[in-house]
Amino acid sequence: AQSVAQPEDQVNVAEGNPLTVKCTYSVSGNPYLFWYVQYPNRGLQFLLKYITGDNLVKGSYGFEAEFNKSQTSFHLKKPSALVSDSALYFCAVRAPGNNRLAFGKGNQVVVIP
Amino acid sequence: GAVVSQHPSWVICKSGTSVKIECRSLDFQATTMFWYRQFPKQSLMLMATSNEGSKATYEQGVEKDKFLINHASLTLSTLTVTSAHPEDSSFYICSARLGGSGGPGEQFFGPGTRLTVL
Repeated sequence: AQSVAQPEDQVNVAEGNPLTVKCTYSVSGNPYLFWYVQYPNRGLQFLLKYITGDNLVKGSYGFEAEFNKSQTSFHLKKPSALVSDSALYFCAVRAPGNNRLAFGKGNQVVVIP
Repeated sequence: GAVVSQHPSWVICKSGTSVKIECRSLDFQATTMFWYRQFPKQSLMLMATSNEGSKATYEQGVEKDKFLINHASLTLSTLTVTSAHPEDSSFYICSARLGGSGGPGEQFFGPGTRLTVL
């Protein structure tokens, strides 16, 4: 079985401050990990992924995420949040050989001007 | 990145009618596409996996006779909601994955279709 936990419902951060969105996962074997962002009434946009290699992954719009195998985490980070980063963020995991993505419940990020 | 389109972006229909939603991968071929349903402020619920040239694989609890999926080509999958009822009102999102089944390729998502059944 594969699953993702995003423990917080909403993350509030002031514009210009660091943004962190937490994600932990459960999967058999080495995971494929993904972050997506969703704006209102839109589909999901791909931000970044971890497959193998360097634990720090850099993605679109200045986002990055760090894979931590011992803590089974893949937290999303941005050094300086923008108001336009306000959106719904989804973490997802897939085990190698598995066809399906398992999504977390999503985190609403609110960046306060 | 790869682009996935959906049509229509929104549709309003009367109860009892059928609605077809198209999902296209515009700049890549996708042997596998996925259909999701999303309720307000909730995560995506996988409905079915659409495989080009073969029958779709439905998730438990999803009625295959109600949600007909056809994946006739490597760039097009369709979802038909048959005899729609108000409880079928939802946001439907498709996605297509780069690369082969089970591989590390990311999924790219369409913009979604808002279905409202009156």
